[in-house]
Amino acid sequence: GAVVSQHPSRVICKSGTSVKIECRSLDFQATTMFWYRQFPKQSLMLMATSNEGSKATYEQGVEKDKFLINHASLTLSTLTVTSAHPEDSSFYICSARVNVGRGNTIYFGEGSWLTVV
Amino acid sequence: AQTVTQSQPEMSVQEAETVTLSCTYDTSESNYYLFWYKQPPSRQMILVIRQEAYKQQNATENRFSVNFQKAAKSFSLKISDSQLGDTAMYFCAFRINDYKLSFGAGTTVTVRA
Repeated sequence: GAVVSQHPSRVICKSGTSVKIECRSLDFQATTMFWYRQFPKQSLMLMATSNEGSKATYEQGVEKDKFLINHASLTLSTLTVTSAHPEDSSFYICSARVNVGRGNTIYFGEGSWLTVV
Repeated sequence: AQTVTQSQPEMSVQEAETVTLSCTYDTSESNYYLFWYKQPPSRQMILVIRQEAYKQQNATENRFSVNFQKAAKSFSLKISDSQLGDTAMYFCAFRINDYKLSFGAGTTVTVRA
């Protein structure tokens, strides 16, 4: 089946630095990917929609200058948390929409734990 | 805006028995999709079952079935013959054609041996 891979699975960074998380579709092309954030024991909250070749669309309340999203190819979207602070520590999950031939299914990555110290 | 409500934070069930998770949603859309996702301790999101709103027949996937009541905006999940591997957090989710998923707060299901 389709696979969506995220890297790194876990990352620790110092407060004030930036960290990049990659979301890659391994065996299909995805013109649309989504980034979610999940705090411990809470639900997934949509942060933004990543569109290949165009600017990301952010949900209300999400700072686009803090959470930079780039979708430069049909198989890769990246989320960069800039000037990270401890309150940015969370589980970040991406998903990708399969375009053709698979019923417009959405597949999720394995997620990435970010800890800001 | 769409909202998804799961009113049961935790459920416990004996192995081999049945458990039903509730979910209600609110939307003004006529064409939409509903899902149940499982999130085990690994945190990988696993699709359990999906239901298209235009279909009256309730979806079934092996031991998992839904009771979709469109007028009541209710979408419950029944897990039959519960297995230890069913222990996980279960999320009800909703989307329209923009493919953005709105999730409920989740229900933690624990299957007891």
